[in-house]
Amino acid sequence: GAGVSQSPSNKVTEKGKDVELRCDPISGHTALYWYRQRLGQGLEFLIYFQGNSAPDKSGLPSDRFSAERTGESVSTLTIQRTQQEDSAVYLCASSSLGRDTEAFFGQGTRLTVV
Amino acid sequence: KQEVTQIPAALSVPEGENLVLNCSFTDSAIYNLQWFRQDPGKGLTSLLLIQSSQREQTSGRLNASLDKSSGRSTLYIAASQPGDSATYLCAVRGTGRRALTFGSGTRLQVQP
Repeated sequence: GAGVSQSPSNKVTEKGKDVELRCDPISGHTALYWYRQRLGQGLEFLIYFQGNSAPDKSGLPSDRFSAERTGESVSTLTIQRTQQEDSAVYLCASSSLGRDTEAFFGQGTRLTVV
Repeated sequence: KQEVTQIPAALSVPEGENLVLNCSFTDSAIYNLQWFRQDPGKGLTSLLLIQSSQREQTSGRLNASLDKSSGRSTLYIAASQPGDSATYLCAVRGTGRRALTFGSGTRLQVQP
């Protein structure tokens, strides 16, 4: 596609429910990143996928968070048993292979846990 | 662990002024540095990418410089306009962890 696409754009869920957030990267981009941005704060790294290499999961805040990506396609970020502290905008980015490449971001999914 | 700092946290200037935003990083082992713009409630828009071997990049009224050895980058905005009002973020891609590490941003307001 023309850009990174995320869905849904907004999600309101009840505390304790599971949610799935989706990211469609730019076609051909092998690297994909997930970040979290709480209200008024900076971007927190969550997870990084690079081709067929093992993902860098060092930013996932707890075992309630997981992410998958099949090949160079769509990624899903799953949050189990959501808590109010999970409320944030979840941003996805992708870039092509190579160390000197530009990262492009989607518009994000705003998650509100009530 | 890479840490990225942006100064100032907020800036308000009258229209037409030239201004400089600062970004510093603690680990100089980077592949590149990228400047982004974020409008309220929106995602990030890439402005400029500077590779580690480069000293500066220009795009229109924007000029970004990089001094890798001292761990500093600046974003220069010429002849600022109200439409430049946004939060500006810098991010570095390290040679170790390949994910981007972000600063907390500079919130810019350009007064008409």
